[in-house]
Amino acid sequence: GAGVSQSPSNKVTEKGKDVELRCDPISGHTALYWYRQSLGQGLEFLIYFQGNSAPDKSGLPSDRFSAERTGGSVSTLTIQRTQQEDSAVYLCASSFLPGLAKTTDTQYFGPGTRLTVL
Amino acid sequence: QKEVEQNSGPLSVPEGAIASLNCTYSDRGSQSFFWYRQYSGKSPELIMFIYSNGDKEDGRFTAQLNKASQYVSLLIRDSQPSDSATYLCAVLNTGGFKTIFGAGTRLFVKA
Repeated sequence: GAGVSQSPSNKVTEKGKDVELRCDPISGHTALYWYRQSLGQGLEFLIYFQGNSAPDKSGLPSDRFSAERTGGSVSTLTIQRTQQEDSAVYLCASSFLPGLAKTTDTQYFGPGTRLTVL
Repeated sequence: QKEVEQNSGPLSVPEGAIASLNCTYSDRGSQSFFWYRQYSGKSPELIMFIYSNGDKEDGRFTAQLNKASQYVSLLIRDSQPSDSATYLCAVLNTGGFKTIFGAGTRLFVKA
């Protein structure tokens, strides 16, 4: 596709429910990132996938959060037993292999999923 | 100490002035530096990247990098109201495996 796509664009759920957020990166991009952005705040790094390497999960705020990336392409971020503090915009970004060559480092962001937990 | 620090602002400048946005980083081995712009309710988009010490110019934007001082800045000349946004500094860490974003500086350009 032309850019990073995310679905759904908006998700309203009740506290305690599980949600799945999807990211489809730019074709050929090997690196995929998930971020969270609360209203008026900066980007909070959640998780990073690079090719077939083990993901960097150091940013996941709790064990209720998990993510997978199937076939090195599409990624799903799952939040179990959602809490009100999980309400935020969840952004996905992709890039070519970072660090390989300086031209490959730029991240391209999707439009985000706005999650509201009631 | 945060890995990438920015003044949260807001920074307010009159139309036509130069806006100066600053960023410091803690990982001395970092090699790649980026400025992203984020309009309210939108996703971040890349403005510029810089890898070498000195200045890099692109239209009205100039990025400046000083690795010895661990400092990177973005200058916006002839600021326009349409430049009003949050500007995010991002640094690719040593090893080149993870990009760290600053919290962003909010810029207001007054007409």
